[in-house]
Amino acid sequence: SQQGEEDPQALSIQEGENATMNCSYKTSINNLQWYRQNSGRGLVHLILIRSNEREKHSGRLRVTLDTSKKSSSLLITASRAADTASYFCATDVGDYKLSFGAGTTVTVRA
Amino acid sequence: KAGVTQTPRYLIKTRGQQVTLSCSPISGHRSVSWYQQTPGQGLQFLFEYFSETQRNKGNFPGRFSGRQFSNSRSEMNVSTLELGDSALYLCASSSVSGETQYFGPGTRLLVL
Repeated sequence: SQQGEEDPQALSIQEGENATMNCSYKTSINNLQWYRQNSGRGLVHLILIRSNEREKHSGRLRVTLDTSKKSSSLLITASRAADTASYFCATDVGDYKLSFGAGTTVTVRA
Repeated sequence: KAGVTQTPRYLIKTRGQQVTLSCSPISGHRSVSWYQQTPGQGLQFLFEYFSETQRNKGNFPGRFSGRQFSNSRSEMNVSTLELGDSALYLCASSSVSGETQYFGPGTRLLVL
């Protein structure tokens, strides 16, 4: 079974708008990672946030983690056409594997 | 540093055949993981190797196997292929467990 579940499943926004997607998980984690995938290609790592961290930034990306609610969010600010992709959260519980959610498909309209 | 490389990139096989996929991790990375991605099941963990030892295995039949060599390169093998094995197979490497995993471009396998 999948540890993480993303919400929404799909998101369509105008270029320049912000995109927010959420991830919920079931058990305690060591860290949570966000990845991007373009058109069935390999996964590109975006951000890793550890269980003792609450927020991290990387360029136009902001990730939050609420361990009490077992949830995380990824915010992409000032979106661009190149941000069109599927976004996945993945949890690491210390058993040498990542458990992925089903992903959020983001479409940025010009 | 060069990224994770996977060969071949595309593969077409018929039912009953077997296939071997290869993965070369980022230089210095000793952990290699394999994942299967399908439209129906999403991304599923296959196995993880560290210093030639399998530390975890996903819920896949015994037809799926893997190994890691002393240079950290890894191979996975699928025997007696079934139509449902058609998928994108992704390899990832990391320096140590619990850190960022870096993914390769994947091998797209089509079983006819």
